[in-house]
Amino acid sequence: ETGVTQSPTHLIKTRGQQVTLRCSSQSGHNTVSWYQQALGQGPQFIFQYYREEENGRGNFPPRFSGLQFPNYSSELNVNALELDDSALYLCASSLGGWSPLHFGNGTRLTVT
Amino acid sequence: SQQGEEDPQALSIQEGENATMNCSYKTSINNLQWYRQNSGRGLVHLILIRSNEREKHSGRLRVTLDTSKKSSSLLITASRAADTASYFCATADAGGTSYGKLTFGQGTILTVHP
Repeated sequence: ETGVTQSPTHLIKTRGQQVTLRCSSQSGHNTVSWYQQALGQGPQFIFQYYREEENGRGNFPPRFSGLQFPNYSSELNVNALELDDSALYLCASSLGGWSPLHFGNGTRLTVT
Repeated sequence: SQQGEEDPQALSIQEGENATMNCSYKTSINNLQWYRQNSGRGLVHLILIRSNEREKHSGRLRVTLDTSKKSSSLLITASRAADTASYFCATADAGGTSYGKLTFGQGTILTVHP
């Protein structure tokens, strides 16, 4: 089975720009969650998508937005980038319910 | 925000020794999960323990949960150099409906020397 894949692996952007990160779910998984992990910290929940609808959001501003497509792949969009947005962005898919999360290897975003 | 704290922040042991990591949390939970992360890569799920369970085993892993103390521990027995990684506990809130919403601790960095 194909695992969770994320693209790109690394990205450098300038403050004020916009960025789109992409995630392909593991086969058969209908739920996607996005996490932000700052250096030396644990991941923080951004939001979750189930059947193309957002159904949970963490403490992140509206400039963080997302999409889930009919094939369950997903995008994370961040507008008006700030220096503090520099982090590893992790996508995780699951079968729903309390099944374990399967993480991709993340996108390392650097904002200069 | 982080749910709680993990202790110790870093642990260094020799191959063959046991490693114990502790996690504390603050809210009522449905379940607690442990994940492993190798040097900035994705996290790998290790084990899930439900709030009505007290102990769970998986291979060389043993997890305990004390909901009265809001704490959990992960024991790795007979450690190997390949166990070197960061270990995170993560909690799922009781009554939550966003099943993918986990609150992670700050992690324990485990180094196993050959």
